[in-house]
Amino acid sequence: GDSVTQMEGPVTLSEEAFLTINCTYTATGYPSLFWYVQYPGEGLQLLLKATKADDKGSNKGFEATYRKETTSFHLEKGSVQVSDSAVYFCALLRYNAGNMLTFGGGTRLMVKP
Amino acid sequence: DAMVIQNPRYQVTQFGKPVTLSCSQTLNHNVMYWYQQKSSQAPKLLFHYYDKDFNNEADTPDNFQSRRPNTSFCFLDIRSPGLGDAAMYLCATSIDRASSSYEQYFGPGTRLTVT
Repeated sequence: GDSVTQMEGPVTLSEEAFLTINCTYTATGYPSLFWYVQYPGEGLQLLLKATKADDKGSNKGFEATYRKETTSFHLEKGSVQVSDSAVYFCALLRYNAGNMLTFGGGTRLMVKP
Repeated sequence: DAMVIQNPRYQVTQFGKPVTLSCSQTLNHNVMYWYQQKSSQAPKLLFHYYDKDFNNEADTPDNFQSRRPNTSFCFLDIRSPGLGDAAMYLCATSIDRASSSYEQYFGPGTRLTVT
């Protein structure tokens, strides 16, 4: 079955540091890939997405590239801010009835001033 | 703005006392989902509605039920909440039609406390 593996957290960085959160997946076919972010006490917000190989999703300074050859979708940001502190979930979706998401375990990011 | 709304944001109920959580959407999406999330773990899908068709996950306890009276609204009923049901409950929607983007849109969640 489908699965998503993320690096375990917490990831603790200083403000303006470079961020990478690794995500790899196992799925048949050509899933779409997503990063969701969850701020404390809130629901999940879609951060970025990529629907086919070599697509790059980007939003709010975050980027991730769909790498089919390495089955990866690593999240990166060049300069993190304290306000980026949150839990980040990588997820895949295969188009079928119901469009179910398969989530990774989540990675908590803590950014210190 | 089109969105997914969950009420209430915080709900306290007593052990064994039935509780209903509500979700509404203005996106006109045909698929609605209920997830349970504990302690910033990944959300766990409880069930979903594809239009009016109800789909239960195999490991969702019988204690959890759902209703979708129309496209816009969906309810989660917990018949006899136990302490282990304390969690964040997330509603999400997506659209399953041609030329759509398919991603799921989440509401802000309802945090349920069981005393």
